[in-house]
Amino acid sequence: DGGITQSPKYLFRKEGQNVTLSCEQNLNHDAMYWYRQDPGQGLRLIYYSQIVNDFQKGDIAEGYSVSREKKESFPLTVTSAQKNPTAFYLCASSIGRQTGELFFGEGSRLTVL
Amino acid sequence: AQKITQTQPGMFVQEKEAVTLDCTYDTSDPSYGLFWYKQPSSGEMIFLIYQGSYDQQNATEGRYSLNFQKARKSANLVISASQLGDSAMYFCAMRVAIYNQGGKLIFGQGTELSVKP
Repeated sequence: DGGITQSPKYLFRKEGQNVTLSCEQNLNHDAMYWYRQDPGQGLRLIYYSQIVNDFQKGDIAEGYSVSREKKESFPLTVTSAQKNPTAFYLCASSIGRQTGELFFGEGSRLTVL
Repeated sequence: AQKITQTQPGMFVQEKEAVTLDCTYDTSDPSYGLFWYKQPSSGEMIFLIYQGSYDQQNATEGRYSLNFQKARKSANLVISASQLGDSAMYFCAMRVAIYNQGGKLIFGQGTELSVKP
């Protein structure tokens, strides 16, 4: 079945450690996105990529990094520079640059101990 | 500034009744799109309905309809005949165009809907 796969679903990290969240899609979508969700709040855009080998910062990119070496994959690294990384992270994709509807993965919940 | 506002943090509705979730938006771009997503407690985001800024008619998808009032910049979601499975967070979102970089969605804070049996 086509869709977006995020892993791991739950992740625990010690302070000062970098962690990478995986996002893979087999929908043949051009655009991919990473959002962060804090309890009781909406989604905030971290990074997005419209095509392979290109990506742009969203509204809260500080402390995060991404790569887009393949169309199918858009991993997110939460670095030690991110001051408050405990959150729910959602990856999404859309068909093209102007198409708005996003298809979401099931999310990754990161907890910093 | 482009912004989505949902003023109802929580709503209750009796099963089988209709409910309206409010959403107002702000943009100076004449071309935009408005979306509603549902987020159950499992965390996944489920697309419900879409309205384009140039669409003449209000969008409908089964029990969901979008009450689009362009002059008021509102895009309220109406759920008819509520079911227990409708209990979830609901997010309004707007597609924002970025010159030469496609677009992105910005989201409101969400409304938590609880359906009572």
